[in-house]
Amino acid sequence: QVQLQESGPGLLKPSETLSLTCSVSGGSISGYYWNWIRQPAGKGLEWIGRLYSSVNIRYSPSLQSRVTMSADTTKNQFSLKLTSVTAADTAVYYCARGRPITEYSYIYDSWGQGTLVTVSS
Amino acid sequence: DIVMTQSPDSLAVSLGERATINCKSSQSVLYSSDNKSYLVWLQQKPGQPPKVLIYWASTRESGVPDRFSGSGSGTDFTLTISSLQAEDVAVYYCQQHLTTPLTFGGGTKVEIK
Repeated sequence: QVQLQESGPGLLKPSETLSLTCSVSGGSISGYYWNWIRQPAGKGLEWIGRLYSSVNIRYSPSLQSRVTMSADTTKNQFSLKLTSVTAADTAVYYCARGRPITEYSYIYDSWGQGTLVTVSS
Repeated sequence: DIVMTQSPDSLAVSLGERATINCKSSQSVLYSSDNKSYLVWLQQKPGQPPKVLIYWASTRESGVPDRFSGSGSGTDFTLTISSLQAEDVAVYYCQQHLTTPLTFGGGTKVEIK
């Protein structure tokens, strides 16, 4: 049973860079789509982006100018960096594994518990 | 981006009764090459991450009770809970997984009447 665990600072100041890591245990990160999704308190879900390999990464256009995702296969981890954060970036951040269902599509089959990131001066 | 619109925002249903949630996409999520609609339904219980119930609009994920069913094609979709149980209290989201950015509906909160 694969398990995902998000980690990173919970409190940031405006203009700082958010850096989160998702550690994967019980399975390899190869062969799956790895996603970051966020959810402001009491609100809906927003897809941030996904990584399949170092050359197959997609970001949400609304965040593309500020976001970078990467993976470290040696540590079985993948990461998220979001620059120039504001209060609007305050949310619970989830990592989620995407299981391929076709050669070009996937569904989430495992999630981390989420980590709250607060941006406040 | 494909905009997903859910209705209603919330509903209260008696135990054992049917719950119906609607989802509409701003453009078709039907992929002509395989004739599948790339629409997912997720359930999120309080304090938990979401969980996929249905994909391809009507394919139940492994382990999901058969009281959950999905229907629809193209731009209009429905999630039905045939006999609401107490453990079904949650927020339900639709999401299109045809094209990036993957986009979610605003959610429908299901409560017990």
